[in-house]
Amino acid sequence: KAGVTQTPRYLIKTRGQQVTLSCSPISGHRSVSWYQQTPGQGLQFLFEYFSETQRNKGNFPGRFSGRQFSNSRSEMNVSTLELGDSALYLCASSLAYGGRIAGELFFGEGSRLTVL
Amino acid sequence: GIQVEQSPPDLILQEGANSTLRCNFSDSVNNLQWFHQNPWGQLINLFYIPSGTKQNGRLSATTVATERYSLLYISSSQTTDSGVYFCAVGDSNTGNQFYFGTGTSLTVIP
Repeated sequence: KAGVTQTPRYLIKTRGQQVTLSCSPISGHRSVSWYQQTPGQGLQFLFEYFSETQRNKGNFPGRFSGRQFSNSRSEMNVSTLELGDSALYLCASSLAYGGRIAGELFFGEGSRLTVL
Repeated sequence: GIQVEQSPPDLILQEGANSTLRCNFSDSVNNLQWFHQNPWGQLINLFYIPSGTKQNGRLSATTVATERYSLLYISSSQTTDSGVYFCAVGDSNTGNQFYFGTGTSLTVIP
């Protein structure tokens, strides 16, 4: 069974540009969550999607957005990049029942973004 | 949100030693997991343990949800155990957002 796949693994952008990251969840998992990891702030929740609907969003500016497709794959987008957006972006997939995540989160290898 | 505190922040052990990592959380949770982050950044699942005790080889974990803490035990540590260990808890209210501790950085020296 394939795990969570994130692409690209590494990318370098300059301030002001935008970036799109992709996440393919484990087959059968319909909940996809995104987390940002930085040395200063640690691991922080960005958003969670289920059935193409964003159910929760963390405390991030509107420059951070995402979506989920009918096959449960998800993308997140960061517009007008800032130096502080340099981070490891981690995607997690999980089962969900009754509108809630059920069981374990499984993480991908992450997308490491550097903003120059 | 839920506050998650992990201790100790850093730990250096001689190979073969045992250790206990602690995770305290500030509110009721419906989900708790322990992860090991490998050098490439991936979070590797160790335990899904919202309550009770589980064992997997040299690792075991215990969560006492009523007292809002969880413990991860590593016995007979090996150099491959080095890395950062994270505790993550799921919010009982929404069930969709997880809060992470700041991690325990473990170094096992031969």
